[in-house]
Amino acid sequence: DAMVIQNPRYQVTQFGKPVTLSCSQTLNHNVMYWYQQKSSQAPKLLFHYYDKDFNNEADTPDNFQSRRPNTSFCFLDIRSPGLGDAAMYLCATSRVPPAGTGGNEQFFGPGTRLTVL
Amino acid sequence: RKEVEQDPGPFNVPEGATVAFNCTYSNSASQSFFWYRQDCRKEPKLLMSVYSSGNEDGRFTAQLNRASQYISLLIRDSKLSDSATYLCVVNNNNDMRFGAGTRLTVKP
Repeated sequence: DAMVIQNPRYQVTQFGKPVTLSCSQTLNHNVMYWYQQKSSQAPKLLFHYYDKDFNNEADTPDNFQSRRPNTSFCFLDIRSPGLGDAAMYLCATSRVPPAGTGGNEQFFGPGTRLTVL
Repeated sequence: RKEVEQDPGPFNVPEGATVAFNCTYSNSASQSFFWYRQDCRKEPKLLMSVYSSGNEDGRFTAQLNRASQYISLLIRDSKLSDSATYLCVVNNNNDMRFGAGTRLTVKP
């Protein structure tokens, strides 16, 4: 089945120790997103890729970086995790439809729950 | 003002009740609109897209009012399995903005 896969599902890291979260998709969607979601809050968009074009949100800390080596994969790198970075990290994809046809619904992976010790 | 605003609830309703959620958005250039459902500790899942003409899917009806920048979701004949958080999502050129969600609990 076509899907969005995130690995690992649970990640534990130490304060300041770099960590990489991965996302892959078999949907062949051209847009991939990374969200951070903390308990009882809305998902917060960190950045997205439209094909190879990287779009960073203005309030995303420099501590968060992303790579998209090909259409199928996208990585979230947290260079120096702090206690405040503990959260669920959600990857999503969407397909940009032809102009005027609507769409853009997102498909989410199951998320990676990050714990920072 | 938040870009997408929802009443956080919680809404506690009995089975069989009709419940309505509202959402307002600030960016008049927004192009597409969605309702997602999120269960506890799970990822959001698309419930339905929202069109200007209104759309219905079984017990669920969504409406969009562009002039008032307002989106609604109506759930009829609530089931226990409808208990979840409902997220309003507004899109402008792939910039997807989520509301904080409205929590619904349907009780026997």
